[in-house]
Amino acid sequence: EAGVTQFPSHSVIEKGQTVTLRCDPISGHDNLYWYRRVMGKEIKFLLHFVKESKQDESGMPNNRFLAERTGGTYSTLKVQPAELEDSGVYFCASSQTSGRSWDTGELFFGEGSRLTVL
Amino acid sequence: DQQVKQNSPSLSVQEGRISILNCDYTNSMFDYFLWYKKYPAEGPTFLISISSIKDKNEDGRFTVFLNKSAKHLSLHIVPSQPGDSAVYFCAASYNTDKLIFGTGTRLQVFP
Repeated sequence: EAGVTQFPSHSVIEKGQTVTLRCDPISGHDNLYWYRRVMGKEIKFLLHFVKESKQDESGMPNNRFLAERTGGTYSTLKVQPAELEDSGVYFCASSQTSGRSWDTGELFFGEGSRLTVL
Repeated sequence: DQQVKQNSPSLSVQEGRISILNCDYTNSMFDYFLWYKKYPAEGPTFLISISSIKDKNEDGRFTVFLNKSAKHLSLHIVPSQPGDSAVYFCAASYNTDKLIFGTGTRLQVFP
């Protein structure tokens, strides 16, 4: 079974440009999360989808970030226009069950998309 | 303000010895704690968790201890193996699906 896949693995853009990151969750997983790690810092929550609906977007930094999950399958995270401080690794994660199933480790992360803004 | 803190950015341990990774938190409302392990160029993978109603959870070589009064948890790895070399993230949650992570501790296990 395929895991969470993210594309691109690395993107280098100039300040002011636009970048779109894509996440394909594990098939059948209704819950999809975006997290971000700025270099050397903590992994920070960005938002949570349940199917196509945004359940929690409290971690989105500002309105330059737009996340979508049309049809409840894959998700995209667009940054427009990108700023230097947006550089980091963007992780997507998915889980099947709603609610918290932490004890069974049902949250699966992708390898991340590294974004470098010059 | 960081609610989950891992004050040791790195730890070096000899193979076969015990590795102890520490994590402190500030929010007394946290009710679940987890440890994730991350290899370079990979996503974090779940390692072990503990509910706030417990003070210890064990899974093979990995044991997590929770001291609620001190708002402190630790991960013990015994015996440490070279394959354990990775970055370890402590994470916590309360009442929601989102996780709050620490900054990570890089563990190196040398022969």
